[in-house]
Amino acid sequence: NAGVTQTPKFRVLKTGQSMTLLCAQDMNHEYMYWYRQDPGMGLRLIHYSVGEGTTAKGEVPDGYNVSRLKKQNFLLGLESAAPSQTSVYFCASSRGNPSNQPQHFGDGTRLSIL
Amino acid sequence: ILNVEQSPQSLHVQEGDSTNFTCSFPSSNFYALHWYRWETAKSPEALFVMTLNGDEKKKGRISATLNTKEGYSYLYIKGSQPEDSATYLCAPRGRRALTFGSGTRLQVQP
Repeated sequence: NAGVTQTPKFRVLKTGQSMTLLCAQDMNHEYMYWYRQDPGMGLRLIHYSVGEGTTAKGEVPDGYNVSRLKKQNFLLGLESAAPSQTSVYFCASSRGNPSNQPQHFGDGTRLSIL
Repeated sequence: ILNVEQSPQSLHVQEGDSTNFTCSFPSSNFYALHWYRWETAKSPEALFVMTLNGDEKKKGRISATLNTKEGYSYLYIKGSQPEDSATYLCAPRGRRALTFGSGTRLQVQP
């Protein structure tokens, strides 16, 4: 019972490099989310998707792009990594509207930008 | 983006103590309030989703209440156990998405 799977778990990048974080869920959830977690701060929403082919900006979208080509996958891209993007990234999914559906989280990706 | 405050930031209790935390949020544009439990080296796990004023939820020794008119929720843990040690996050839902508080970190000493 995998739930939400994030790959990779750890990554070190140099400033200016690009990379893509993959989130996969096997629960047939409609909604998917990308958060970042920094020391002393709560989880902050980067982008989210309410269904296949749709994406929307969250609280801190700058420097990131996302795609939801398949319902089960939500990709987070960094086109030109910056040290300020050093963080732990969490993906989550929910069956439906967050007004009444809990979110299920992956184990996180620890990303360091040198 | 909602202004969410959780207090206290951290709490140390002895095994068997009962404890409670507070989550404060703007009462306008309220849709729902989520509570999550986050153990070290794991991912956040949903405890409760609450939507109605006066709502009360319970899961074992953990319960939560909600006051949407004044903008707060309390999380109670009765008879704390070492396995309750975790960070407890609240997240009200505004117009679009959840806004997470910074959490209350609970440590239960055996």
